[in-house]
Amino acid sequence: DAKTTQPPSMDCAEGRAANLPCNHSTISGNEYVYWYRQIHSQGPQYIIHGLKNNETNEMASLIITEDRKSSTLILPHATLRDTAVYYCIVRVEGNTDKLIFGTGTRLQVFP
Amino acid sequence: DSGVTQTPKHLITATGQRVTLRCSPRSGDLSVYWYQQSLDQGLQFLIQYYNGEERAKGNILERFSAQQFPDLHSELNLSSLELGDSALYFCASSVDPRTNYGYTFGSGTRLTVV
Repeated sequence: DAKTTQPPSMDCAEGRAANLPCNHSTISGNEYVYWYRQIHSQGPQYIIHGLKNNETNEMASLIITEDRKSSTLILPHATLRDTAVYYCIVRVEGNTDKLIFGTGTRLQVFP
Repeated sequence: DSGVTQTPKHLITATGQRVTLRCSPRSGDLSVYWYQQSLDQGLQFLIQYYNGEERAKGNILERFSAQQFPDLHSELNLSSLELGDSALYFCASSVDPRTNYGYTFGSGTRLTVV
């Protein structure tokens, strides 16, 4: 079972920041938080990941709370092409290392 | 192009038939993962291979099997197909599961069973 909880859907105006929350209250100390997105039936796309420090790359920023029980993915200037399902995933440690996808958040960016 | 190649892109077949889906991982990646995504459903992990060896199994039916070859490409075999097997099948690869590099997904194979 997925170890994260996300709102099923969110809306965002084009050009505004999209803030996507994720709860992962049972995360272990050595587990990372990963974010992926899936644009309409395409293969999921890696966005960003982090352990406990805030992270930023060319696509997004990841803010992880100090207790690591929740995080927020920030798309600073959302565009229509950011409309997708966003998945927050806690990476399973050990030999399996598979990614367990939850139901994600469907982000709709509107003009 | 993500670097992970899946063929074919589309496949239509009849119930009871057998099909093979192929995945070529990104150059240098040792690990291959297979996922199934039914209509309006989430991504379900099926199976993982690392450098030719099966590493982990998920919700994979007994009618399904997979293998990874010495050149690291992988094949997912689906037999005795049922209507409910219609889905998108994604392959992903990564360098080494012990690193924290992101996984790279292919564009998927859309299987339709009629």
